[in-house]
Amino acid sequence: QQPVQSPQAVILREGEDAVINCSSSKALYSVHWYRQKHGEAPVFLMILLKGGEQKGHDKISASFNEKKQQSSLYLTASQLSYSGTYFCGTGGSGNTPLVFGKGTRLSVIA
Amino acid sequence: NAGVTQTPKFRILKIGQSMTLQCTQDMNHNYMYWYRQDPGMGLKLIYYSVGAGITDKGEVPNGYNVSRSTTEDFPLRLELAAPSQTSVYFCASSPILDNTQYFGPGTRLTVL
Repeated sequence: QQPVQSPQAVILREGEDAVINCSSSKALYSVHWYRQKHGEAPVFLMILLKGGEQKGHDKISASFNEKKQQSSLYLTASQLSYSGTYFCGTGGSGNTPLVFGKGTRLSVIA
Repeated sequence: NAGVTQTPKFRILKIGQSMTLQCTQDMNHNYMYWYRQDPGMGLKLIYYSVGAGITDKGEVPNGYNVSRSTTEDFPLRLELAAPSQTSVYFCASSPILDNTQYFGPGTRLTVL
């Protein structure tokens, strides 16, 4: 079942923060986050595995709450290069392929 | 390493024609995937493969066929193209199922 992402779209000014949420009606084993720039292929950001861990690199981090079956992606002090569509992909177990959400379009303006 | 390569980049088909989208990876990954992406709909899995000779259906397999004779190649075949198959197609690979997926650059297909 396709995870639900919110918001569908967000516009930020440089330096502002944003949160993108991903929730599922099924028990989650893992959550993957990808970013896709216009006309390009999706690029991997990070994976969070069952265990409620939080991960991050640079100013992008994510959390995974397996009890609530949801993950959040945090972008702090946004830069123009953060613009793109962010997808979460959820795994229900180690034996099933990911199911991707519809994406959240993030636009960062000067 | 070239990563994941796809050919062609663009293609226009007439209704009823057939074609094969090529996908090759040089990372020795066991898992390979085909997705289609329609505006605002995210990535939908068409087929995937867990290794040479083994393939399985994804969410939207109708109208497509795949084969995996080698670790490197995972072609997607469209038989009797229909306008509903107009989309951007991405091939991806990963070392194991629940791990980073590496995407190819995509093929933009239009069926008229």
